[in-house]
Amino acid sequence: ETGVTQSPTHLIKTRGQQVTLRCSSQSGHNTVSWYQQALGQGPQFIFQYYREEENGRGNFPPRFSGLQFPNYSSELNVNALELDDSALYLCASSSSLATQYFGPGTRLLVL
Amino acid sequence: AQRVTQPEKLLSVFKGAPVELKCNYSYSGSPELFWYVQYSRQRLQLLLRHISRESIKGFTADLNKGETSFHLKKPFAQEEDSAMYYCALSGGGTSYGKLTFGQGTILTVHP
Repeated sequence: ETGVTQSPTHLIKTRGQQVTLRCSSQSGHNTVSWYQQALGQGPQFIFQYYREEENGRGNFPPRFSGLQFPNYSSELNVNALELDDSALYLCASSSSLATQYFGPGTRLLVL
Repeated sequence: AQRVTQPEKLLSVFKGAPVELKCNYSYSGSPELFWYVQYSRQRLQLLLRHISRESIKGFTADLNKGETSFHLKKPFAQEEDSAMYYCALSGGGTSYGKLTFGQGTILTVHP
């Protein structure tokens, strides 16, 4: 059984740029959730995808968007990057709404 | 709105001593509570959830709805328990499966 993987592991962008982060869910999981973890803070829920449809969104602006593919992998896209977007981005997969299994995260630095 | 508070950012104990990591929550309905742990250089992983009533690695947590608390306890701490611990809440209805995390407590167990 393969765990949740994320790519890239690290990324540096400049303000105003766009970024795409990727997540491969664990085998058999149809739900992917994305979280943002700023330094010294707990993870904060961005949104969740269930069977390719958005299934709930946290308090994040529309420039944060996502996709889920037929194989249940997922992308997080952030447009018009701001300095405050610098954080660790975590994805978690689950089978429906059961226990969420987290990936190692992508660390994004916006300069 | 749902909120999770972990009042202690840092907690230090000696090996063999009891340990209690505090977690208080705010939620108007019936939440599901979790404890997640992150060991050094590892990904976030589920330690326990209140509905399963399990004891994992000697840790237990009881949901106290009157005090809106879900404190994590272990009677005899071990050095390998040193890690970051997050308390998390999942609401009901459309909020189910969208985790709200506390800020985390760094536990250090000294030899």
